[in-house]
Amino acid sequence: KAGVTQTPRYLIKTRGQQVTLSCSPISGHRSVSWYQQTPGQGLQFLFEYFSETQRNKGNFPGRFSGRQFSNSRSEMNVSTLELGDSALYLCASSFTSGSRYEQYFGPGTRLTVT
Amino acid sequence: AQKVTQAQTEISVVEKEDVTLDCVYETRDTTYYLFWYKQPPSGELVFLIRRNSFDEQNEISGRYSWNFQKSTSSFNFTITASQVVDSAVYFCALSEAGTSGSRLTFGEGTQLTVNP
Repeated sequence: KAGVTQTPRYLIKTRGQQVTLSCSPISGHRSVSWYQQTPGQGLQFLFEYFSETQRNKGNFPGRFSGRQFSNSRSEMNVSTLELGDSALYLCASSFTSGSRYEQYFGPGTRLTVT
Repeated sequence: AQKVTQAQTEISVVEKEDVTLDCVYETRDTTYYLFWYKQPPSGELVFLIRRNSFDEQNEISGRYSWNFQKSTSSFNFTITASQVVDSAVYFCALSEAGTSGSRLTFGEGTQLTVNP
């Protein structure tokens, strides 16, 4: 079974630009969640998508957005980048059926904003 | 508001020692899930366990065991006979009612170093 794939793995952008990150979940997983990890704020939840619908959203400004496609692949977009957006962005795909629960994280996309 | 506290920032042990990582949480929800994750130096988070708030049974998986005590709002993780490969940052997390596994609130993490 292929793992969660995130592209690109590394990205360098300048302030004011926008960026799109991609996440391909485990086959059969319909839930995709995004997290931001920084040394100062730790791991913070961004949003979750399930069957192409945003199911939950964290406390991030509107510059952070996402979407999910019919094949469960998800993208997140950050517009008007700020220096503070430099972080490791992690994507998780999960599956729940009764008491059975699976969750896998991707390797992350390291975004550097200069 | 939910909160997860991992008071131990760093722990260093010698191989084969047992080590317990503490996790204390705060929530007003009666239904919630608790999680533990491992983040090795490679950076990829690895899911270890999910525990329902109604299930206070302790769980053992190989050298790993978890002790959930609702009375003290704690969900501690013990590694028995630690190995160098256990060196990583370990995160405890809490999910809100109705979300089952998303919208996680993470603790600050505990850096575990197992020395040979």
